[in-house]
Amino acid sequence: AQSVAQPEDQVNVAEGNPLTVKCTYSVSGNPYLFWYVQYPNRGLQFLLKYITGDNLVKGSYGFEAEFNKSQTSFHLKKPSALVSDSALYFCAVRANTNAGKSTFGDGTTLTVKP
Amino acid sequence: GAGVSQSPRYKVAKRGQDVALRCDPISGHVSLFWYQQALGQGPEFLTYFQNEAQLDKSGLPSDRFFAERPEGSVSTLKIQRTQQEDSAVYLCASSSVGAEAFFGQGTRLTVV
Repeated sequence: AQSVAQPEDQVNVAEGNPLTVKCTYSVSGNPYLFWYVQYPNRGLQFLLKYITGDNLVKGSYGFEAEFNKSQTSFHLKKPSALVSDSALYFCAVRANTNAGKSTFGDGTTLTVKP
Repeated sequence: GAGVSQSPRYKVAKRGQDVALRCDPISGHVSLFWYQQALGQGPEFLTYFQNEAQLDKSGLPSDRFFAERPEGSVSTLKIQRTQQEDSAVYLCASSSVGAEAFFGQGTRLTVV
């Protein structure tokens, strides 16, 4: 079985400050890890992924994420938050042996205040 | 098209009615997925196709749910005898094999 935990329902940061959205996972074998963002009444938009290689992954809109195998974590980060980053963020995991099913967390609402 | 297209965007069904939800994936994408997203929750996996083959349907909640992709492109998710608990957003996604999935905007189903 595979699972994702996003321990914070809500993250609030001030514009210009760094942000972190936490994600831990459980999967059999090596993980493929993903972050998606969802704006109101919109579908999920892909931000970044970890498949293999460098533990620090860079993605869209200045976001990055760090894969930590020992802590089974894949936290999303951005050095300087923008008000427009306010949205719902989902972490997802898939086993590298299964091209199909991805398991998503319940999401974290990020609010960036001016 | 440029992205995954789903129709209708909104569907209101009376309890007991059958519904069909359509997904047009990104051209050339071999893999197609259906997810169900309840309010305040993350997407829950329903089923996965590779071309026309349904490789995993372990997430379909009951035998009232049926999905097909007969020509390896467009897919339809059918729900028979809808019930109130079926109310959710149904998301379709497509990808190249093993790559990240690209999602459509979803179909919001409300069963009354």
